[in-house]
Amino acid sequence: GDSVTQMEGPVTLSEEAFLTINCTYTATGYPSLFWYVQYPGEGLQLLLKATKADDKGSNKGFEATYRKETTSFHLEKGSVQVSDSAVYFCALSDRDDYKLSFGAGTTVTVRA
Amino acid sequence: DGGITQSPKYLFRKEGQNVTLSCEQNLNHDAMYWYRQDPGQGLRLIYYSQIVNDFQKGDIAEGYSVSREKKESFPLTVTSAQKNPTAFYLCASSRRFQETQYFGPGTRLLVL
Repeated sequence: GDSVTQMEGPVTLSEEAFLTINCTYTATGYPSLFWYVQYPGEGLQLLLKATKADDKGSNKGFEATYRKETTSFHLEKGSVQVSDSAVYFCALSDRDDYKLSFGAGTTVTVRA
Repeated sequence: DGGITQSPKYLFRKEGQNVTLSCEQNLNHDAMYWYRQDPGQGLRLIYYSQIVNDFQKGDIAEGYSVSREKKESFPLTVTSAQKNPTAFYLCASSRRFQETQYFGPGTRLLVL
């Protein structure tokens, strides 16, 4: 079945550092890929998405490129802020299926 | 403002008691979903509804029940048959089934 694997956290960074969170997936079809962010005590917010190979999703300085050849969708941000401290979830949705499959989440803490 | 609301924010359940979590959306979305989140894990799908008066079991439906009598509402009942109900419950909706899902703020259920 479909699955998503994220790099384990927690990740602790200083402000203005470069952030990368690795995400790889296994899917039988051609999935859509997502990054969601969860701030403390809150629900999930859609951060960005990509629906086909080589698409780049971007939002709030975050970027991720859909790499079919490496089955990856790594999240990057060039200069993090304290307000980026959150849990980040990679997810996929197979076009032939109805559900989102989530990774376990990566906790990111940014220190001033 | 359009969005998804969940209530209450915190809910306490006694042994043998059924409790109902509310989920309302004013986005005019056809599809709605319930997920469960346990610490350090991704989300798992409990139930989903493609359209009003229809719903289907997800991966972990045992011990839960839902109804979809109105397009904007998708309440989840955690029954006494659910032996480990302590978790964070997230409701989501999408404009159409299999489209991008948007999440509510969540309800944290605790057992007394």
